[in-house]
Amino acid sequence: DVKVTQSSRYLVKRTGEKVFLECVQDMDHENMFWYRQDPGLGLRLIYFSYDVKMKEKGDIPEGYSVSREKKERFSLILESASTNQTSMYLCASTQGGASTEAFFGQGTRLTVV
Amino acid sequence: AQSVTQLDSQVPVFEEAPVELRCNYSSSVSVYLFWYVQYPNQGLQLLLKYLSGSTLVKGINGFEAEFNKSQTSFHLRKPSVHISDTAEYFCASIGTGANNLFFGTGTRLTVIP
Repeated sequence: DVKVTQSSRYLVKRTGEKVFLECVQDMDHENMFWYRQDPGLGLRLIYFSYDVKMKEKGDIPEGYSVSREKKERFSLILESASTNQTSMYLCASTQGGASTEAFFGQGTRLTVV
Repeated sequence: AQSVTQLDSQVPVFEEAPVELRCNYSSSVSVYLFWYVQYPNQGLQLLLKYLSGSTLVKGINGFEAEFNKSQTSFHLRKPSVHISDTAEYFCASIGTGANNLFFGTGTRLTVIP
């Protein structure tokens, strides 16, 4: 069974904290993505990576950074968490090529207080 | 630029009634189109996809979608819904040669007993 695993289902952090969201896939996929999901806004792409150490900004990269040191792991970093980053974060991966299915993790619901 | 528009944010429907969830895409190049479903407290999973060929695509759980190039639409249908179909549904597209999936804002389907 293919799997994308996000390290936490629920996370509560204080304003100003540095936050790490981890995502691991076991399918040897080339591409990995971080989305943010908010009611009425759908999924918005934060960053994606098409190879180790490579990254591309998505639609809303401000306030976030990413790291991909190994093919299977893609980390999302909130350098200084703010309350407007309270959201559901979804990680996904795809094999190379536009026609392939995206596999999603279960999501991390982050609350910043 | 790629984009998809889901015209309905919420669709309530009685059990065993038919349902159509609407999606329109915009692109000047060939696209691949997808429908994903998100059950409560879960990540997204693929329902069906259109890559090429037959314009009527069948997916899991009795869903199907029709690609209509002249109307730039990819509406999702099911002839008879079940309570377990209550979920959020996302339309997505990707352009050929691209790596990035674009999602619509989602349609929340609520099946009423």
